[in-house]
Amino acid sequence: AAGVIQSPRHLIKEKRETATLKCYPIPRHDTVYWYQQGPGQDPQFLISFYEKMQSDKGSIPDRFSAQQFSDYHSELNMSSLELGDSALYFCASSSGLAGDSNEQFFGPGTRLTVL
Amino acid sequence: AQSVTQLGSHVSVSEGALVLLRCNYSSSVPPYLFWYVQYPNQGLQLLLKYTSAATLVKGINGFEAEFKKSETSFHLTKPSAHMSDAAEYFCAVNINQGGKLIFGQGTELSVKP
Repeated sequence: AAGVIQSPRHLIKEKRETATLKCYPIPRHDTVYWYQQGPGQDPQFLISFYEKMQSDKGSIPDRFSAQQFSDYHSELNMSSLELGDSALYFCASSSGLAGDSNEQFFGPGTRLTVL
Repeated sequence: AQSVTQLGSHVSVSEGALVLLRCNYSSSVPPYLFWYVQYPNQGLQLLLKYTSAATLVKGINGFEAEFKKSETSFHLTKPSAHMSDAAEYFCAVNINQGGKLIFGQGTELSVKP
């Protein structure tokens, strides 16, 4: 079965640079979530989109922005990168018609290292 | 606001022994509860979920969890640990469909031969 695809899997950037992370949800999933997992930390919710509209916002820095496109893929844009942005970034997707469970399916993550 | 607390950041068991990972939640409304497993340098894989149906939930790899409203708990158990169970385990909660997951701090499970 198709899973959530994230690209790139690994990314190395310098401080103050910009990074773009991409997420391709499971086919027919209309909701995308972004999470950030720092070293030794639990995943923290950043932002989510439902049907191409922002549906919720968490602890996402103003330097970050995201959007969901017409084909439901999503991109997380990160500018003025800081050392503290080094983390594993997960994308998850779900279907608005998932019944009573709202199960989120996670991608493998993008490991961002800021030097 | 809802939250999740996992007791014990590290749990070590012997192969073949009972696995018990503790999770307590706080929510003002009936929650959806999940257990995820994360192997080193990998993503999150769903083990099992509670969605207000049966209170005893069976998941993959022989894991199960019991929702106890009176104790606000959703502890994860496995009768007999296997070496391949060594990983990080996260308990998570959300309260509505389409909602963000709130994760506990995680419990690292080690399995000794």
